[in-house]
Parts: sequence; structure tokens; C-alpha cells
Amino acid sequence: QKEVEQNSGPLSVPEGAIASLNCTYSDRGSQSFFWYRQYSGKSPELIMSIYSNGDKEDGRFTAQLNKASQYVSLLIRDSQPSDSATYLCAVASGSARQLTFGSGTQLTVLP
Amino acid sequence: EADIYQTPRYLVIGTGKKITLECSQTMGHDKMYWYQQDPGMELHLIHYSYGVNSTEKGDLSSESTVSRIRTEHFPLTLESARPSHTSQYLCASSGQGGSPLHFGNGTRLTVT
Repeated sequence: QKEVEQNSGPLSVPEGAIASLNCTYSDRGSQSFFWYRQYSGKSPELIMSIYSNGDKEDGRFTAQLNKASQYVSLLIRDSQPSDSATYLCAVASGSARQLTFGSGTQLTVLP
Repeated sequence: EADIYQTPRYLVIGTGKKITLECSQTMGHDKMYWYQQDPGMELHLIHYSYGVNSTEKGDLSSESTVSRIRTEHFPLTLESARPSHTSQYLCASSGQGGSPLHFGNGTRLTVT
């Protein structure tokens, strides 16, 4: 079992819909959770950080963390074609020495 | 905005050449990383450093080497490039504790 698993894509949603991206992790001691967006051929860009249980909203993005169930999700409201990218979930272990990345979910927003 | 710089952005080089990919950050971060990523594929950690004179190999075995003589500088060297080294190389840094990684723009290496 991988340490950080993301729902296998690719995921396609129509423009204006809500895109839901999920991530589970195996280390119960994990403390920090991040979502990165990576456009094709570009480097990953940090879009959300979340450290405590519950929801964190930033514009059209909402990160949700449930440490008891060991999952973190990202919701993108009012999806736009410019949101089409690969989304990477990253988790910092309890020792916080390194981030572990999931394999990514490719999202396509159809106009 | 994160200040981490990689040069060159693109490099095409012949087999057998020695190359150094540069990475510098101005944030004073102790932790720095090198990732390798092929198109459409996962990120693979190949080297990391938690401070000056500290370097470790990552999860993916790599023929490259790194050095960390100054906090802000973390170059990656290939002594003899081969076509199998063709890939994108991403440098990143992070601050204390569970801070996020900040990535540079990457170097796309092609070995012919």
C-alpha cells in the first residue's frame, strides 16, 4: 500500500461543476497536508495547506481534512477550463522531515 | 512568492558529457530537494539535504550527485550523461517543521 493514495483519474467535469479530488494516507502521525496543482510541463504550484480537521476555504478551493479517517480532499467549485491540470496531494509525516506525494489526479474541465 | 531558481531551463547535450544543474533559493531554507519527473508520471525524490554539508539519496536511485556547501545553493551533477537521464529535474526547498515545498521552474534535460 502506498503511503499517499489519490483517486485514480483522469477526472472530467463540465465547466461550472464541482470537482472533487480525494487523497488517503497511511501515517496516522501526519500533521501537514498540501494540495499542489501541476500544469503539463510545469512545476507543481502550492494551492492549499491544511493542518487541522475540518474545512479550509480559499476562493473557489476548499480543502477538507479528516484525521480519524485519514483522508484529505480538495473541492473546486465553479470549475473552469483553466483548472485542467494534475492535482497532487502531499503529506508531511509525523517527523515532518519529508513530504510524501501521491501519484496525482488529472482533472479536465470541459467547456 | 517563493524565490527558488533553476538554470538552465532547457538543456540538450550529447552522451558522455558532464553537466551540472543549478538550484538556488533566497529564502534561507535549510531543506532542499531534487525530484525527477518524466512527462505524465509521478514525482520521484532523488536527493535531499537538511543543511550545509548534509546530503542524502532519495527513494529513486540516481547516478547523479549533489553538494550543499552553502545554504542557498544545491547543484546536481551528472558525470557522464546518458539518454536514460532524459527527464525533467525539479528543485524544491522548505522551511521548518511541516512547511510546504516550494518548487523551482525545473530543468528539462535531453541527452542525445
